[in-house]
This record gives sequence, structure tokens and C-alpha cells, in this order.
Amino acid sequence: GALVYQYPRRTICKSGTSMRMECQAVGFQATSVAWYRQSPQKTFELIALSTVNSAIKYEQNFTQEKFPISHPNLSFSSMTVLNAYLEDRGLYLCGAREGGRDTQYFGPGTRLLVL
Amino acid sequence: SQLAEENSWALSVHEGESVTVNCSYKTSITALQWYRQKSGKGPAQLILIRSNERENRNGRLRATLDTSSQSSSLSITATRCEDTAVYFCAMNNNAGAKLTFGGGTRLTVRP
Repeated sequence: GALVYQYPRRTICKSGTSMRMECQAVGFQATSVAWYRQSPQKTFELIALSTVNSAIKYEQNFTQEKFPISHPNLSFSSMTVLNAYLEDRGLYLCGAREGGRDTQYFGPGTRLLVL
Repeated sequence: SQLAEENSWALSVHEGESVTVNCSYKTSITALQWYRQKSGKGPAQLILIRSNERENRNGRLRATLDTSSQSSSLSITATRCEDTAVYFCAMNNNAGAKLTFGGGTRLTVRP
């Protein structure tokens, strides 16, 4: 079956520091990977959509300078949160999709706490 | 305002009862999906219903889609305690891989 792993599951970082999170797809080819942030106050915020062999598209209010993403192959993606502050807290979810299919498979998320 | 939203923030039922979660959306869609997210986990897809479909079923789950009123419903029959979760509707629009999620409905199934 299709599975998505994310690590770390939980991380705590000091304000102003950076942290990297990873997403791995198993059992299917992750042609596109969407990174979301889920906070208690809001529903899912799409950060960016990455498609292999295409440019990464960032949503409004999210930038490559703040959330650089790497999607080097069909099974792996990573995102870094640079200079994290309190407003960056939340559950970061990776949703991967194969080809033209509509189903996105999600990982369990990386919970970021910023002190 | 959200492009997709569930109409109830929280629902509570007794085990064995049926429950329906409703969702409304504001843009054109190619498909609408229902996801369930349990505590500590990522969302998992339950049902996908395309814009040219009116109903889709998956075991105890039934999803309907009304494109004229831009609404969808997810019904769960014979609920079980393990159905306790947050249920989200999510839209596929013409942008392809992008999913827009609603705010979620928290369902509690009590013994």
C-alpha cells in the first residue's frame, strides 16, 4: 500500500533557529508533494506544491526564502523552516500524489514547537 | 472566508447511530474528497467523488455531491467508537494537485 513517512515527528527549536523536516513516500511514486501547515486556529494552510521536474509553487504568504523545499526524486522531499518564530508553530504535513491521480497520501506530520 | 467549509464544528452521537457531516464550497471543482484525521495522525482519504458524480460509497460511508448548490455530505451508518476523529472535506480545483481543505468537523462517537 501507499505510505508516507515524516520525520521527525516532533521537534522543539529556539526562536530564530532553523529546522529541517523530511517526507518519504513508500509504495508509490510521489510525482507531486504538497506541504501544509495545520495550526489549532486554522485549517490546513498550503505552503507550497512541488512537482518533480517543475518549479516549486509557493502560496501567498509563504516564500522559498523562508521555507526552502527540496524534491530530488519520486520518493523524497524535505522542507526547512528558516528563522523559526512563534507564528511558525504547528503541525507540518506532507501530502504526496502520484501522476494524475487525485488522492493525496499524507504523513503523520512534524509538530514544530518554537520556544 | 474559506473556499470550503464544513457546516458543523462538532457532532456527537452514540455508537450505532448514523451521522451526516455537510460541506459547502465556493469555487468550481473537479472532485471533492472526504478525509478523516485521528488524533496524532495525518489525514486519511475516505471517499473521492468527482464533479460528474452524485454519490459514492465506501462500506459504511456514503458521500453525495450537489454541484448546483455547491455542497457535499458524508454519511456514516452504524457508527463505532473508532470513527471518532475530525472529518474534512477537500476540493480539487482546476489547479490539479492543489487541495483546499475545509475547517473540519469533530465527530465524537460515545459508547
